Amino acid sequence: GNSVTQMEGPVTLSEEAFLTINCTYTATGYPSLFWYVQYPGEGLQLLLKATKADDKGSNKGFEATYRKETTSFHLEKGSVQVSDSAVYFCALSDRAGNNRKLIWGLGTSLAVNP
Amino acid sequence: DSGVTQTPKHLITATGQRVTLRCSPRSGDLSVYWYQQSLDQGLQFLIHYYNGEERAKGNILERFSAQQFPDLHSELNLSSLELGDSALYFCASSVGNGGWYEQFFGPGTRLTVL
Repeated sequence: GNSVTQMEGPVTLSEEAFLTINCTYTATGYPSLFWYVQYPGEGLQLLLKATKADDKGSNKGFEATYRKETTSFHLEKGSVQVSDSAVYFCALSDRAGNNRKLIWGLGTSLAVNP
Repeated sequence: DSGVTQTPKHLITATGQRVTLRCSPRSGDLSVYWYQQSLDQGLQFLIHYYNGEERAKGNILERFSAQQFPDLHSELNLSSLELGDSALYFCASSVGNGGWYEQFFGPGTRLTVL
């Protein structure tokens, strides 16, 4: 079945450091891939998405490229800020199968220190 | 503000009791999803309704039930509550029936079972 594996946290960085959060997936079809973010005390919100291979999603300085050959969708940001401290969730959805729900990773907590 | 509302914001109750959580989706959204988030289990998908019909079930206990009403609001009923049911319960909505549609999350209901 479809699954998502994220790197375990917590990740702790200093402000302006480079961020990578790894996400790999297993899917039988051609999934869409997502990164959602949860800021402290809030619900999740969509950060970026990609719907086909080689697509790059980007938002708020974050980027992720849909790599079909490595089945990955790693989240990157060149220079993190304290305000990026949050939990990041990778997710996939496969249009091809009968299972139409979103498959979630376990989340990676990021703490950015000033 | 995502446009999804959840009530109540906080709920404190005793073991064995029954509670009802309420969710109003964004205007125009037909799908409602319920999630449970706890420290030890992470984000768990519970159930999905689309236009009043149940479409997918996740890790929802038999003691829990949900429904979506004709006005599209949804209620999650939790009965015979146990200490382990203490968690944040999120509702999310989306316009379509499928995980590839962006989900908009409410602020959550924090349930504490004493």
